[in-house]
Amino acid sequence: EDQVTQSPEALRLQEGESSSLNCSYTVSGLRGLFWYRQDPGKGPEFLFTLYSAGEEKEKERLKATLTKKESFLHITAPKPEDSATYLCAVQAGDSNYQLIWGAGTKLIIKP
Amino acid sequence: DSGVTQTPKHLITATGQRVTLRCSPRSGDLSVYWYQQSLDQGLQFLIQYYNGEERAKGNILERFSAQQFPDLHSELNLSSLELGDSALYFCASSVGLAGDLYNEQFFGPGTRLTVL
Repeated sequence: EDQVTQSPEALRLQEGESSSLNCSYTVSGLRGLFWYRQDPGKGPEFLFTLYSAGEEKEKERLKATLTKKESFLHITAPKPEDSATYLCAVQAGDSNYQLIWGAGTKLIIKP
Repeated sequence: DSGVTQTPKHLITATGQRVTLRCSPRSGDLSVYWYQQSLDQGLQFLIQYYNGEERAKGNILERFSAQQFPDLHSELNLSSLELGDSALYFCASSVGLAGDLYNEQFFGPGTRLTVL
């Protein structure tokens, strides 16, 4: 069964303290892996798409990487405004290409 | 602002009632997706339409139905509502079909449904 697992469930960091969020997946025929940011009560905001192992994408303090079994979202010198829930989703052929979502990592950055 | 609009923002209703949620996709997007997000289940895919036709179904209850109109806006109809249907309902849109490359989904602000 296709599955997406995100860890940790929650992460508290001090402002400026870099860290990484993990998204591991078990799917057949990965088409793409997506990262979204979601603020409380709001819709998910698209961040990155990764298509092949070894691919990396960056946006401001965020960098996403992909291997054959997992993806990491690295956050460098975070600021309080980076506090949000980060969601990972995968797209695979055996799920009719619909996104399979992880439960998210709630990130809290303390000033 | 993603360019996807949803109305209403909030909806409070009673068990057994029927409601309609509305979504307008980004300009140029042909696909619309509906999701349900509750505290204990995360984001659950419900249904997808592409250019007016149903293309995929996820965990959508028989009490729920949707359609996409010629102007590409979509409506999600929820009937015989139960307490457990209380959740955030999101609409997302994308340019092409689910399996296309570079076909990221962009989400609307959601409708918060409360069933009392």
